[in-house]
Amino acid sequence: KAGVTQTPRYLIKTRGQQVTLSCSPISGHRSVSWYQQTPGQGLQFLFEYFSETQRNKGNFPGRFSGRQFSNSRSEMNVSTLELGDSALYLCASSLGMTGRGWNSPLHFGNGTRLTVT
Amino acid sequence: GNSVTQMEGPVTLSEEAFLTINCTYTATGYPSLFWYVQYPGEGLQLLLKATKADDKGSNKGFEATYRKETTSFHLEKGSVQVSDSAVYFCALSDRRGRDDKIIFGKGTRLHILP
Repeated sequence: KAGVTQTPRYLIKTRGQQVTLSCSPISGHRSVSWYQQTPGQGLQFLFEYFSETQRNKGNFPGRFSGRQFSNSRSEMNVSTLELGDSALYLCASSLGMTGRGWNSPLHFGNGTRLTVT
Repeated sequence: GNSVTQMEGPVTLSEEAFLTINCTYTATGYPSLFWYVQYPGEGLQLLLKATKADDKGSNKGFEATYRKETTSFHLEKGSVQVSDSAVYFCALSDRRGRDDKIIFGKGTRLHILP
């Protein structure tokens, strides 16, 4: 079974630009979550999508948005990039919704390394 | 709210040494507990999990026991190898609490010297 695929693997953008990251979950997985990983803050939850609906959201500004398509693939968009957005962005899929009522473990992709200059 | 606290790293050990990485949690409901591992250049992988008190999760020689009385889920391995060098994350998923998402600790970097 193919794992979670994230594209692109690396991105370099300048301040003020916008960026779109893509995530293809494991076949049959309906939940996709996004995390930002930085050395200082560790793993921070961005949002979770299930059946094309955002089910949960972390404490990030509105510049961070996402969506999920009918085939469960997900995209994350960051507008008006800031230097502090430089990070590894991880996507994870699971069979069911994470958290309440479900014990589906997360399956992570290898991430997209975003550098903002 | 729910939270996970794990020991700060980096932790440096010699090959074949005994490993303990401490993890404690706070949760309002009935959490499931996880250890994830991240090897260099990769995403996180589930290492082991435990879904109720006194459960022991184990995988690849690693073990962790869900201790409700001490709200802990410490990761142990009897004899580490160089290939165990990675970052380890403790995490919880609260089945009845308000935080219906997986909460991760900050991660502990482990270096194993040959």
